[in-house]
Amino acid sequence: AQSVSQHNHHVILSEAASLELGCNYSYGGTVNLFWYVQYPGQHLQLLLKYFSGDPLVKGIKGFEAEFIKSKFSFNLRKPSVQWSDTAEYFCAVSPISGGYNKLIFGAGTRLAVHP
Amino acid sequence: KAGVTQTPRYLIKTRGQQVTLSCSPISGHRSVSWYQQTPGQGLQFLFEYFSETQRNKGNFPGRFSGRQFSNSRSEMNVSTLELGDSALYLCASRFRDRSTDTQYFGPGTRLTVL
Repeated sequence: AQSVSQHNHHVILSEAASLELGCNYSYGGTVNLFWYVQYPGQHLQLLLKYFSGDPLVKGIKGFEAEFIKSKFSFNLRKPSVQWSDTAEYFCAVSPISGGYNKLIFGAGTRLAVHP
Repeated sequence: KAGVTQTPRYLIKTRGQQVTLSCSPISGHRSVSWYQQTPGQGLQFLFEYFSETQRNKGNFPGRFSGRQFSNSRSEMNVSTLELGDSALYLCASRFRDRSTDTQYFGPGTRLTVL
C-alpha cells in the first residue's frame, strides 16, 4: 500500500538552529511530492512542491527540499529557523496515475521554535 | 483570486444525525477533493470530484458521500453520524496544467459529534 512516513513527530529547536525534517514514501511509480504547513489556527498551506527536473526545490519562507529518488525521500530543510516557523509540517505524495489525483499524507511533524 | 471557501466553519451534531458540508473552489478550478483530519488518523483522502463526477474514492464507508455541481461547488454528506466522525473536514481545489498539478486547501469545517 502507498504510504508516507515522517520520522519525527515532535521537534523542538531554538531560533537560528538548522532544521531538517525527514520524509520517505513507498510507491513504485512516479509521484509528485509536496510539503504543506499548518500554522496554529490557520489552514493548510503549500510550502513547496516537486514534479520534475532539479531535485532541489525551493519554497516559500526560505524552505527547501531535496528529492532523492533512490531513497524514496523528500526531506525538508531550512538553514535558520525563526519563532514564526512554529507549525505542523506535512509531507504528501500524489501518485501519477491516469490523471486521478489524491494526496497521501504523512502523520505530520510538530515543530516548536523557542526564542 | 479568492481562496477555497468552506461552510459552515463549525458544526455540532448528535449521533445518528446527518450533516452536509459545502465547499467552493478557487475560481476556474474544476476539481475538488475532500479530506478528513483527525489527531489519530491524520489526513485521509475521502473523494475527488471533477466535472460533477466522482473520480476517486478513499477507504471510507458509504455513509460518506459527495457531489459536485455545474459551477464546481461541492458538497459532502455524512449520514448516521458516529462519534468517530468528529474531525476537521478539508476541501481542496485542484489546479492542473502542463507544468503543475497542485491542491489548495480551504480552512475546513470542524465537525463535533456528541
